Amino acid sequence: EAGVTQFPSHSVIEKGQTVTLRCDPISGHDNLYWYRRVMGKEIKFLLHFVKESKQDESGMPNNRFLAERTGGTYSTLKVQPAELEDSGVYFCASSRAQGLKQFFGPGTRLTVL
Amino acid sequence: DQQVKQNSPSLSVQEGRISILNCDYTNSMFDYFLWYKKYPAEGPTFLISISSIKDKNEDGRFTVFLNKSAKHLSLHIVPSQPGDSAVYFCAAISYNTDKLIFGTGTRLQVFP
Repeated sequence: EAGVTQFPSHSVIEKGQTVTLRCDPISGHDNLYWYRRVMGKEIKFLLHFVKESKQDESGMPNNRFLAERTGGTYSTLKVQPAELEDSGVYFCASSRAQGLKQFFGPGTRLTVL
Repeated sequence: DQQVKQNSPSLSVQEGRISILNCDYTNSMFDYFLWYKKYPAEGPTFLISISSIKDKNEDGRFTVFLNKSAKHLSLHIVPSQPGDSAVYFCAAISYNTDKLIFGTGTRLQVFP
């Protein structure tokens, strides 16, 4: 069974540009989560999809962040326009049922210059 | 305000000895506590969990202890092996929210 995959693995952009991160969850996993880790800090929850619906988006920092999961399969997280403080590693996770066992992808390292 | 805290950023242990990683939390409503292990350039990998109604859970070389009155949990690894060298994250979850709340991580180094 393939794990959670994320693309790209790294992205370096300038302040004000737009970046779109993609996450492909494990096949059959209805639950998809986005998390972010800013340098040296804790991994912070951003939002949770159940299929194509946003179950909880309480962790989204502001309206420059837009997450979608059309069709309930892969998800994208767009940052527009990017700011310096958006730099960090963005993790995606998925789970078959709500609750404990969340499987994480390798993350996308975003650097905003 | 951080609800899950790992106050030791790093720990160095000799191979074969016990590694003890600590975690404190502030929210008494958490239902489960988890430990994740993370290697460089990889995502966190689930290691072991414990329900809030238990005080101990063991899985091979890994044991997690929960002290609810002190709002403290610890992960014991014995014996420690060089392959255990990684960053360990403590996390907590409530059934009604389904989001993991992580600590800042502890980097464990196991040397020969």
